[in-house]
Amino acid sequence: TQLLEQSPQFLSIQEGENLTVYCNSSSVFSSLQWYRQEPGEGPVLLVTVVTGGEVKKLKRLTFQFGDARKDSSLHITAAQPGDTGLYLCAGAGGGADGLTFGKGTHLIIQP
Amino acid sequence: GAGVSQSPSNKVTEKGKDVELRCDPISGHTALYWYRQSLGQGLEFLIYFQGNSAPDKSGLPSDRFSAERTGGSVSTLTIQRTQQEDSAVYLCASSSYPTYEQYFGPGTRLTVT
Repeated sequence: TQLLEQSPQFLSIQEGENLTVYCNSSSVFSSLQWYRQEPGEGPVLLVTVVTGGEVKKLKRLTFQFGDARKDSSLHITAAQPGDTGLYLCAGAGGGADGLTFGKGTHLIIQP
Repeated sequence: GAGVSQSPSNKVTEKGKDVELRCDPISGHTALYWYRQSLGQGLEFLIYFQGNSAPDKSGLPSDRFSAERTGGSVSTLTIQRTQQEDSAVYLCASSSYPTYEQYFGPGTRLTVT
């Protein structure tokens, strides 16, 4: 069974601070996706990383895929209250298979 | 274009009753997925369809759960004889070749009383 461990589970920081969320597994994934979910809504896809060592930037968000394709990180620079939400990482085995999700990181950015 | 839609958005049912949840995927998406999200459990994969067939039903928690997809489009997830532990948000997603990136609907919140 493939498992994804996310850390931290909860994070509350002040506006303007930087933070990193981690997603780790003992299994190799063909790709890894990061989602953000707000209360009462479905997860919204932020990014997909496919190549080991890949780094993708989305404004103030930087996503990294580990060289061995087993882990990933999400770094947010100068966090803003609008970044508040549940961040989920999900591993894909390939093709149209279902995703394996981590339990998520609940992020609160205080103004 | 239109995203994934799900209905109903909320469903309250009595223990022992059957419920049907509906998912309308993004037009043209060939793959459709059902997940369940419970407090403390995260997002749990239930089943996926490629066209009308379900190659992977491994996530269905019991034989009270079933799903079908007709015409390669709309899907229904049926839970028979609902139990309190079935209370959760049921999420549907769809995707298509070549990336198979999954796009989620808003979910159906099921409460079994």
